[in-house]
Amino acid sequence: QKEVEQDPGPLSVPEGAIVSLNCTYSNSAFQYFMWYRQYSRKGPELLMYTYSSGNKEDGRFTAQVDKSSKYISLFIRDSQPSDSATYLCAMSGVYGNQFYFGTGTSLTVIP
Amino acid sequence: DVKVTQSSRYLVKRTGEKVFLECVQDMDHENMFWYRQDPGLGLRLIYFSYDVKMKEKGDIPEGYSVSREKKERFSLILESASTNQTSMYLCASSSPYRNTGELFFGEGSRLTVL
Repeated sequence: QKEVEQDPGPLSVPEGAIVSLNCTYSNSAFQYFMWYRQYSRKGPELLMYTYSSGNKEDGRFTAQVDKSSKYISLFIRDSQPSDSATYLCAMSGVYGNQFYFGTGTSLTVIP
Repeated sequence: DVKVTQSSRYLVKRTGEKVFLECVQDMDHENMFWYRQDPGLGLRLIYFSYDVKMKEKGDIPEGYSVSREKKERFSLILESASTNQTSMYLCASSSPYRNTGELFFGEGSRLTVL
């Protein structure tokens, strides 16, 4: 079983839709949870970062962590064509020395 | 603004050539990482370093070596490039002491080996 599972998609939505991206994980020691956005032929850009359980909001983006279910989500409200990218989830333990990644979900927002 | 800079965005090399990929970070981070990213396989860790002159093998170290002579600089070396090393290479850095757990990436180096 992989440490982190992420549906690769692809996911295609109309502009203005709410997008939900999810990852599940198996290691209960994970404490830090991250979402990255990666445009084609670019490096991953850190989008959202959460420590332990709870929600975090930044503009149109909301990250949720449910440690009891080992499930994390990224919600994008009022999606825009510029949100079209691959979204990677990542997580690490308390020491922050080892990182585990999902394989990424490809999102296309259609104008 | 935090920055991880990779020296070459695109490289084309021939089989058997020695390849150097360089990475510099300006955040005074202790940890630095080299990953490769391939479609369907995601990110795979090649090597990481937690201090100057220290290195640890990741999941796929075969065919690679690394060098960290200064805190801000981490180099990946392909001693004899092969076609199966054609990939996107990503450098990243983090600090285990600032209790944030964030990992920052460079823009990537896309290597093609002919």
